[in-house]
Amino acid sequence: QKEVEQNSGPLSVPEGAIASLNCTYSDRGSQSFFWYRQYSGKSPELIMFIYSNGDKEDGRFTAQLNKASQYVSLLIRDSQPSDSATYLCAVIPDSTLTFGKGTMLLVSP
Amino acid sequence: SAVISQKPSRDICQRGTSLTIQCQVDSQVTMMFWYRQQPGQSLTLIATANQGSEATYESGFVIDKFPISRPNLTFSTLTVSNMSPEDSSIYLCSVDVGGAGEKYFGPGTRLLVL
Repeated sequence: QKEVEQNSGPLSVPEGAIASLNCTYSDRGSQSFFWYRQYSGKSPELIMFIYSNGDKEDGRFTAQLNKASQYVSLLIRDSQPSDSATYLCAVIPDSTLTFGKGTMLLVSP
Repeated sequence: SAVISQKPSRDICQRGTSLTIQCQVDSQVTMMFWYRQQPGQSLTLIATANQGSEATYESGFVIDKFPISRPNLTFSTLTVSNMSPEDSSIYLCSVDVGGAGEKYFGPGTRLLVL
């Protein structure tokens, strides 16, 4: 079974700090990796996707991929209370997008 | 991205009844996807709906329980049949836009079965 694992949290960080969210996946053949943000009571919203090893930056967000370690992370710089949400990691191991259970992030003012 | 709407946004239903959820996209798409998100859980793909062919169901989901229609390239419906309290969930419609495999989601239908 192809799995995507995330720490459920909550991960608590103070406003202005860097939040680091981590995800591991079981299928070594996975090629595409996604981070979604889901506010309580809302549907998931795509933040970033990454295919290649290394870092990909978009504003305050940086996705990091290490295929050898089967590990993908999301860094949020200068965290804001509005970043408080559940962050879902998703992977395409074959043709189906497979989601982790998400990590809840709490950013305190 | 795509603008996706769903109806109804929420509903409370009685055990044994059926509910049809509608999904409308603002552009033509080849495939539409139906997900379920049970309380405290992540998203699980129910089925993929292609226009002009039968939907493809994931393991654990069957057509008799979740019949799907896809009459055109911008619209799909999912029916939750003979509902039980275990069907209480958020049902999400999704599409691929951009060709990278990334999915965009509708606002969801929150279903409570009593």
